[in-house]
Amino acid sequence: ILNVEQSPQSLHVQEGDSTNFTCSFPSSNFYALHWYRWETAKSPEALFVMTLNGDEKKKGRISATLNTKEGYSYLYIKGSQPEDSATYLCASTGSGGYQKVTFGTGTKLQVIP
Amino acid sequence: DSGVTQTPKHLITATGQRVTLRCSPRSGDLSVYWYQQSLDQGLQFLIQYYNGEERAKGNILERFSAQQFPDLHSELNLSSLELGDSALYFCASSVAGGGWVGTDTQYFGPGTRLTVL
Repeated sequence: ILNVEQSPQSLHVQEGDSTNFTCSFPSSNFYALHWYRWETAKSPEALFVMTLNGDEKKKGRISATLNTKEGYSYLYIKGSQPEDSATYLCASTGSGGYQKVTFGTGTKLQVIP
Repeated sequence: DSGVTQTPKHLITATGQRVTLRCSPRSGDLSVYWYQQSLDQGLQFLIQYYNGEERAKGNILERFSAQQFPDLHSELNLSSLELGDSALYFCASSVAGGGWVGTDTQYFGPGTRLTVL
């Protein structure tokens, strides 16, 4: 993988359902992986930053895992609520530093009440 | 409200012109980052300043420049504007200089929407 890819592009789930999406990134020269939550007409809000293989982070009903060897991260939302509706962005940094920061195009989540 | 302010909120200008976007970081934050979000390219990192000095450069065009002043506010200057420069420009700030290499949390401002006609 040369770029940061996120899947699916968009997702509709019912309120109460749990869901997850994927961020794939170049595993060579990996340094850090960031997740952001971006609501429409607002600015991105940092969720997690992860650096270590096997790392797991949790914030309320949202959690994320990281596999640096195979180059992917999962974001999980348990019991989705309408207020979780947003675009979830990931960004990867290679060990080349700042100039290798690459954002994915995001997964747009719509939670239906 | 992240505590990061950006002005103006909207800017409409013509091709060939020059504009300045302004960002005030959260109180206590030393790093300022600039990002561009255009429809066809997604969110792109442009440049980072830490305590007045350029720290990192991303996909910033030569027609664009930035600076961070002693009071830590930052300005992004865009010159010889082209239609393709129309985008949402975000500023973010963080406490230290770690930014993308470290684990600094970045706080984003509301953005400036630039339209080049």
